[in-house]
Amino acid sequence: NAGVTQTPKFQVLKTGQSMTLQCAQDMNHEYMSWYRQDPGMGLRLIHYSVGAGITDQGEVPNGYNVSRSTTEDFPLRLLSAAPSQTSVYFCASSYFTPGNSNTEAFFGQGTRLTVV
Amino acid sequence: AQTVTQSQPEMSVQEAETVTLSCTYDTSENNYYLFWYKQPPSRQMILVIRQEAYKQQNATENRFSVNFQKAAKSFSLKISDSQLGDTAMYFCAPYSGTYKYIFGTGTRLKVLA
Repeated sequence: NAGVTQTPKFQVLKTGQSMTLQCAQDMNHEYMSWYRQDPGMGLRLIHYSVGAGITDQGEVPNGYNVSRSTTEDFPLRLLSAAPSQTSVYFCASSYFTPGNSNTEAFFGQGTRLTVV
Repeated sequence: AQTVTQSQPEMSVQEAETVTLSCTYDTSENNYYLFWYKQPPSRQMILVIRQEAYKQQNATENRFSVNFQKAAKSFSLKISDSQLGDTAMYFCAPYSGTYKYIFGTGTRLKVLA
């Protein structure tokens, strides 16, 4: 009953360092996405994927990279961390079947990232 | 593009009373869903209620109900008999099946004892 698993939960980076936030889901969902949450700005979409091998940019993609080699995993890479990337990051997975009213997004527990 | 407006950054309510959180949105889609998610201090995002836009009947889940006005593109959340555990951030999110949930900026609700 794992759902969406995000690691790590907390991370401190120095400016210029790179790192990967991990996200895995065990619900066989086609759709996965990454959001960042900043005070007063809600959740903003960074990147999303509609299936293995397919990714696209969201609202705030600059400075982030993603790949989707399997249905289960959707890692988010920070190429060269900047203080502006200090935020809480959420991974989500979802499904959508036309006519099925049970569509829902499932979220990981979030990663609090601080870039100093 | 979809936009979402939650015009109440913060609200408070006495325990056992009723509170309504507002949300307006803009979309060019005809078929879509609307969601309210709750984020307690634990940071976990929890689905509160969902509404299919093609259904005229307002959704209800226990103490939570919505007032969905499709023509006005309004989707408010009513919490009845508020409990201390309802203290959280609440996010409105329309979803049109384009694989992207678009979230509002949230309303921070505090339930007072």
